[in-house]
Amino acid sequence: GEDVEQSLFLSVREGDSSVINCTYTDSSSTYLYWYKQEPGAGLQLLTYIFSNMDMKQDQRLTVLLNKKDKHLSLRIADTQTGDSAIYFCAESIGGATNKLIFGTGTLLAVQP
Amino acid sequence: DGGITQSPKYLFRKEGQNVTLSCEQNLNHDAMYWYRQDPGQGLRLIYYSQIVNDFQKGDIAEGYSVSREKKESFPLTVTSAQKNPTAFYLCASTRTSGGAVETQYFGPGTRLLVL
Repeated sequence: GEDVEQSLFLSVREGDSSVINCTYTDSSSTYLYWYKQEPGAGLQLLTYIFSNMDMKQDQRLTVLLNKKDKHLSLRIADTQTGDSAIYFCAESIGGATNKLIFGTGTLLAVQP
Repeated sequence: DGGITQSPKYLFRKEGQNVTLSCEQNLNHDAMYWYRQDPGQGLRLIYYSQIVNDFQKGDIAEGYSVSREKKESFPLTVTSAQKNPTAFYLCASTRTSGGAVETQYFGPGTRLLVL
C-alpha cells in the first residue's frame, strides 16, 4: 500500500539551511507536494514537483526528487524563525480523485 | 476574497452526541475533502466528494457521515459511533479539470474535543 515517511524533528540555527527528507512507496505518484502547517492552523501549500522532474527551485525553497530511490527533500535556505512549523510531504497517487497520501510531518524548530 | 472557511474553531462533544462540522468554499472548486489529524501523525482521509450529490469513503470513514447538496458546502457529521473523535479536522478543496496539477487548498481546521 501507499506509505509516506518523514523524520519527526529537525532543529537548525537561524541563517542555516534546513533539509527535510521524505520517502514514499508508490512508484505511480504523479505529483509530490510540500505543505507547511503553523500551530493551530490549516495546511499551506509551499511547492510541488512533477514526478518526471528531479529539481525545482522557488526562491529560498529547493525541492529534490530521486525517483529511483523514491526520496524527496525540501531545502530551505537562510532559515528564519518564521519558518518554524510542521512540514508535510504528500504524494498524489493520480487518477480522477486527486487523492493525497500525507507523511507524518517534520517539526522544524529554528533557534535564534 | 476567496477561500475555505471552517466552523466552529473549537467544538465540544458529549458522549453519545452527534456533532456537525461546517466547511464552505467560495473558490468554485468541484472536489472537497475531509481529513483527520492526530498528534504525531499525518492527515488521514475521511470522505471526499468530486461532484455535488456524490461522495466516497476515504481510509477512515467509520463513524462519520457527509453530504454534498451544494457545490460550496461539505459538512461532516461525527456520529456517536466514532469512539475516538478527539482530533483536528481539516477540510480541503480542489478543482478537477484533469491532466494539470490540482492543488488542494485547506481550511483553518476545527478542533473537536470530547467532554
